[in-house]
Amino acid sequence: GQNIDQPTEMTATEGAIVQINCTYQTSGFNGLFWYQQHAGEAPTFLSYNVLDGLEEKGRFSSFLSRSKGYSYLLLKELQMKDSASYLCAVRDLDRDDKIIFGKGTRLHILP
Amino acid sequence: GAVVSQHPSWVICKSGTSVKIECRSLDFQATTMFWYRQFPKQSLMLMATSNEGSKATYEQGVEKDKFLINHASLTLSTLTVTSAHPEDSSFYICSARGTSGWYEQYFGPGTRLTVT
Repeated sequence: GQNIDQPTEMTATEGAIVQINCTYQTSGFNGLFWYQQHAGEAPTFLSYNVLDGLEEKGRFSSFLSRSKGYSYLLLKELQMKDSASYLCAVRDLDRDDKIIFGKGTRLHILP
Repeated sequence: GAVVSQHPSWVICKSGTSVKIECRSLDFQATTMFWYRQFPKQSLMLMATSNEGSKATYEQGVEKDKFLINHASLTLSTLTVTSAHPEDSSFYICSARGTSGWYEQYFGPGTRLTVT
């Protein structure tokens, strides 16, 4: 089976830093994705981790610990446009390598 | 970068009619395409996986006779919602995986279906 958990909603202030956590349980782990989705739009790719460690890309960083089944997405220097849903998704070899999404975290940025 | 298009971007239909949604990979060949459905304020739920030239595989709880999927070529997959009902109103998103082995799935812009 597969279970992906992330907080439903978070609030942060413009200019600050926020960390969105994701825990997962899967039998055939083959990588973890973070996607950003604005209301009414399709998801856009942010990051991909398959090995333990931190991947940094501009203001966004993603971390993975395979042994703990844990990842986080770190957003720095928050901007109002970062208000969106952030989807944690796992690729599962035991499910034909499909990408399965968590429920998403709605991030609200306050001025 | 890889581009996936969907048509139409939105559609309104009457209850009992059928609606076809197209998903195209514009600049790459997609051996596998995925269809997701998303209800308001919820995450993407995988409906089915289609491989070019073979029958689609459906996730548990998805009616294959209601959601007909055809993947006739390496650049086109279609989803037909048959005998649509208001509860089928949703945001339908396709994504495509290429032949290069690259890990990423590329998402289309989505189709908003409203059944009246």
